[in-house]
Amino acid sequence: GAVVSQHPSRVICKSGTSVKIECRSLDFQATTMFWYRQFPKKSLMLMATSNEGSKATYEQGVEKDKFLINHASLTLSTLTVTSAHPEDSSFYICSADGLAGNNEQFFGPGTRLTVL
Amino acid sequence: GQNIDQPTEMTATEGAIVQINCTYQTSGFNGLFWYQQHAGEAPTFLSYNVLDGLEEKGRFSSFLSRSKGYSYLLLKELQMKDSASYLCAVPPYNFNKFYFGSGTKLNVKP
Repeated sequence: GAVVSQHPSRVICKSGTSVKIECRSLDFQATTMFWYRQFPKKSLMLMATSNEGSKATYEQGVEKDKFLINHASLTLSTLTVTSAHPEDSSFYICSADGLAGNNEQFFGPGTRLTVL
Repeated sequence: GQNIDQPTEMTATEGAIVQINCTYQTSGFNGLFWYQQHAGEAPTFLSYNVLDGLEEKGRFSSFLSRSKGYSYLLLKELQMKDSASYLCAVPPYNFNKFYFGSGTKLNVKP
């Protein structure tokens, strides 16, 4: 089946630093990947749609200069949280379009970001 | 835009049956997905309905009524491991977005 990995799974950083999170589709090519943010006991909030070879499409209220997304290849999308602050602490999850057929989304295992 | 509603939390007993509802109002419809998410983990796919009716898959079934903007997930013979959040998602026509409902936290008691 389709597998999506994320790295790192957990990261703790100081306020003001930048953190890069990688999302990879391991056994399939994904032209579109999605980035989500999830607060405790809340649902997934779509942050942006990442398209290979083009600029990401951000949801309303998401700062594109704060959350930089790069989809450099058909198997890799990265999310960089720039100048992180404690309020950026959250669970970040990516997903990728599945194989041709039912448009199922395959999710990465998530990255827990804690900003001190 | 997308408006997807689910009950926040439900409690049921091991071995029982529970129905989790999802109502939606969306700009375009391209099927409805149900996902299961255990705390601290990524969501996992449960079902996808694009036509009206009931789709059965083992202990889990999913129903869709497009005219009513309504779906439900039916869990039979509940097990303790079914304690999780259940999310419904409705992608629009162009499928360049994937929005989730607020999720229903299911607590299964012995």
